[in-house]
Amino acid sequence: GNSVTQMEGPVTLSEEAFLTINCTYTATGYPSLFWYVQYPGEGLQLLLKATKADDKGSNKGFEATYRKETTSFHLEKGSVQVSDSAVYFCALSLFSGGYNKLIFGAGTRLAVHP
Amino acid sequence: EAGVTQFPSHSVIEKGQTVTLRCDPISGHDNLYWYRRVMGKEIKFLLHFVKESKQDESGMPNNRFLAERTGGTYSTLKVQPAELEDSGVYFCASSPLFSRGDTDTQYFGPGTRLTVL
Repeated sequence: GNSVTQMEGPVTLSEEAFLTINCTYTATGYPSLFWYVQYPGEGLQLLLKATKADDKGSNKGFEATYRKETTSFHLEKGSVQVSDSAVYFCALSLFSGGYNKLIFGAGTRLAVHP
Repeated sequence: EAGVTQFPSHSVIEKGQTVTLRCDPISGHDNLYWYRRVMGKEIKFLLHFVKESKQDESGMPNNRFLAERTGGTYSTLKVQPAELEDSGVYFCASSPLFSRGDTDTQYFGPGTRLTVL
């Protein structure tokens, strides 16, 4: 079946540290891959996405590359800020029948300290 | 442009009671999805509407859950009677039809936190 596995948290970093949150997936077909973020007290926001192999999604200094050979979509940021503290969700979607539904990982909580 | 809105933001009810959650999608979005996150686990798909029609309700846990989208605008999700394991955060999302835009990206509401005591 289709599934997403991401590293367990919480991840605790100091400001300006390098961030990696690992995400791997299992899917039949050719999924699109996403990172969503949930800031405290807010809803889910799309952070970035990639729709085909070797695509790189980027936004707000975050990057993730769609690696088909390793079925991975790891999230990275070179220098985190306190404002990046949030829960990050990796997800895939498969387009079928004119729509897609998202399959999420369990989420990784990131806490950044000054 | 207004985003996806959900009401209420929090609901605390006792086991056996009924609760109705509401979602207003982004105007013009015909796709509407419900998801749920239970106990810090992964967010799971519940069901999908295209306009007023249910396209996929494979994720609905059982027949205590009833979703409607009369008129193809807002949607409600009713839980009756509520059980302890129904506690969690219920998210709604919307997207345009494939023919009208980027259906690949779903826009989420802030969620409704449901606590069943």
